[in-house]
Amino acid sequence: NAGVTQTPKFQVLKTGQSMTLQCAQDMNHEYMSWYRQDPGMGLRLIHYSVGAGITDQGEVPNGYNVSRSTTEDFPLRLLSAAPSQTSVYFCASSPSLISGNTIYFGEGSWLTVV
Amino acid sequence: AQSVAQPEDQVNVAEGNPLTVKCTYSVSGNPYLFWYVQYPNRGLQFLLKYITGDNLVKGSYGFEAEFNKSQTSFHLKKPSALVSDSALYFCAVRAPGGGADGLTFGKGTHLIIQP
Repeated sequence: NAGVTQTPKFQVLKTGQSMTLQCAQDMNHEYMSWYRQDPGMGLRLIHYSVGAGITDQGEVPNGYNVSRSTTEDFPLRLLSAAPSQTSVYFCASSPSLISGNTIYFGEGSWLTVV
Repeated sequence: AQSVAQPEDQVNVAEGNPLTVKCTYSVSGNPYLFWYVQYPNRGLQFLLKYITGDNLVKGSYGFEAEFNKSQTSFHLKKPSALVSDSALYFCAVRAPGGGADGLTFGKGTHLIIQP
């Protein structure tokens, strides 16, 4: 059971470039989300999805797009990368919206925008 | 909106001594509380959670946490620290009545266990 898988692990982008961070889970979880981690700020929610075809914005959505065409996949797109998007990105999933469900995280994607 | 505070950026403990990592929270209604650990260049690993019931929750790697409703706290504890416990620890809260907006995290506490 692979859990939550993210690719790539490391990426360097130039300002203005676009890219997609891939996320897949094999646990048939309804709920998936993307967080970014910045020093001294904990993790902040970017976007989330409660099922295929349904997405919504989190706390810091600007500059990012998401889609959920299947239950398994939840890619995060950076449309025009900016240095402020240099961060560590985590994909996460949970069986459902029920608040007591544990949220499971991927290994992270380290992104540097120069 | 809910919030989590981890008042200590860093906690230093000698190996073999008990450790405590502090967490306080603010949320409307009954909280769902979580602890995660992050090792260098790795993702977050789930340690334990409080949903309801016994205020003392036991989790992975010998860790436990005590929920205190009157003090709105959920401190992480371990009776005897190991050097391998050195990592970044996050406390998080999830809103009751539906968790669509995910977890709200504290800023994290670096735990350093000295040999």
